[in-house]
Amino acid sequence: NAGVTQTPKFQVLKTGQSMTLQCAQDMNHEYMSWYRQDPGMGLRLIHYSVGAGITDQGEVPNGYNVSRSTTEDFPLRLLSAAPSQTSVYFCASRPPGQGIYEQYFGPGTRLTVT
Amino acid sequence: RKEVEQDPGPFNVPEGATVAFNCTYSNSASQSFFWYRQDCRKEPKLLMSVYSSGNEDGRFTAQLNRASQYISLLIRDSKLSDSATYLCVVTRNFNKFYFGSGTKLNVKP
Repeated sequence: NAGVTQTPKFQVLKTGQSMTLQCAQDMNHEYMSWYRQDPGMGLRLIHYSVGAGITDQGEVPNGYNVSRSTTEDFPLRLLSAAPSQTSVYFCASRPPGQGIYEQYFGPGTRLTVT
Repeated sequence: RKEVEQDPGPFNVPEGATVAFNCTYSNSASQSFFWYRQDCRKEPKLLMSVYSSGNEDGRFTAQLNRASQYISLLIRDSKLSDSATYLCVVTRNFNKFYFGSGTKLNVKP
C-alpha cells in the first residue's frame, strides 16, 4: 500500500491563480480530510468527507473547494489564490468503524502564493 | 478562545530525563483525545490515544483530567530520537479534529 499520497510536493502560485492539490489513498478509508499548518499554529481543518459524495466544512473553509467523487481521491481546489493561503497542506484519512480514530497523513504540499 | 492550547516550548532536556507536557481544551463536550508526534517538516503520526483511566505505552504515559479539561504526556528515560514536536488533538464528533500548536522537545546528549 502507498498509504496517503499528495501531489505536488511544492508549488508556487501568483495571487489570483487557481490550482488543485491532489490527495489519494489506497486503504479504502471512507473518511478523508484536508488541513493547513502555518508556523506556530497547529493543523487547522479545512474540509472533510465521510464518504464519496459527502463533504463538509471544517474550521477554515473559506477560499477552498472540495469534492469526493470516489473513495480514493479527495482533491482540494484553490479558486483564486491569496498570499494568506501560503501554508503547508496535509491530507489525511482514517479507517471506517467505531473506535478507530487514528488518522494517516500524507507527506504534505508546501504552497507559496506571491 | 482556541479549542486546544499547548505550551510551545522548547523543552530542552538531557538524555535519560523525564519530561511532561500538558495540554488544555476548551470544550467540555470533547470526547476523544490523542497525542501525535511531528518531526521537522514531516507529517504528524499518532503517538497514542488518551483514555479516561490513563494509559501507558512503553516510556510514554498519557493522562486525562476531564474536570480540569487537560491532558498530559509523560516521557521517561528520554532518547535523542524523542526530539520532535508533540501535538495534542481533541475531537467531539470524530469528524472534526482540533490540533494544538504543538510542544517542541529537544533531547540533548
